[in-house]
Amino acid sequence: AQRVTQPEKLLSVFKGAPVELKCNYSYSGSPELFWYVQYSRQRLQLLLRHISRESIKGFTADLNKGETSFHLKKPFAQEEDSAMYYCALSTGKLIFGQGTTLQVKP
Amino acid sequence: GAVVSQHPSWVICKSGTSVKIECRSLDFQATTMFWYRQFPKQSLMLMATSNEGSKATYEQGVEKDKFLINHASLTLSTLTVTSAHPEDSSFYICSARVPTRATLYEQYFGPGTRLTVT
Repeated sequence: AQRVTQPEKLLSVFKGAPVELKCNYSYSGSPELFWYVQYSRQRLQLLLRHISRESIKGFTADLNKGETSFHLKKPFAQEEDSAMYYCALSTGKLIFGQGTTLQVKP
Repeated sequence: GAVVSQHPSWVICKSGTSVKIECRSLDFQATTMFWYRQFPKQSLMLMATSNEGSKATYEQGVEKDKFLINHASLTLSTLTVTSAHPEDSSFYICSARVPTRATLYEQYFGPGTRLTVT
């Protein structure tokens, strides 16, 4: 079955602390994974795509096929990073995880 | 980047009436659009895939006669909630699929439509 799991509903850290938002997937094919972010009262927007191996706003995510994971990381969290983060698997359509709310406290 | 708009941004309707939500791709043509439903503080649930010029493909458990989808042009898809009931109150989000070089496709999302059925 195709599935995306984000085990943490809420992650609360202090400003400057490292952040890791977990994402695990289940897919028999070659996965195409994304991280989307939804800031308060804004639309969902693409943050990262695994295939580009990019760093956006200090965030990175590495696909680990052995562990079927695509965790999102940032070494030093900022208050403006507070948002809802969704991991998504593309199978022609996007399958979203449950989402993790990141709360960065001052 | 690709821009997707939705209209209206919020709507209140009475139980038993129908309401139409529009999703437009503003600066590109979208052969495929998607409709999602999002409950407060929850993830997006895919309702259906809308393909231009053909019938929509509905996800399991979504009533196709209740949620009518029309994708008559390459820039417009509509979702009509027929005979709305209070339990249909939700946030409806559309997205458009865009072919890219980096990945096969990417999706760009509209701002959503808040539907309240009284």
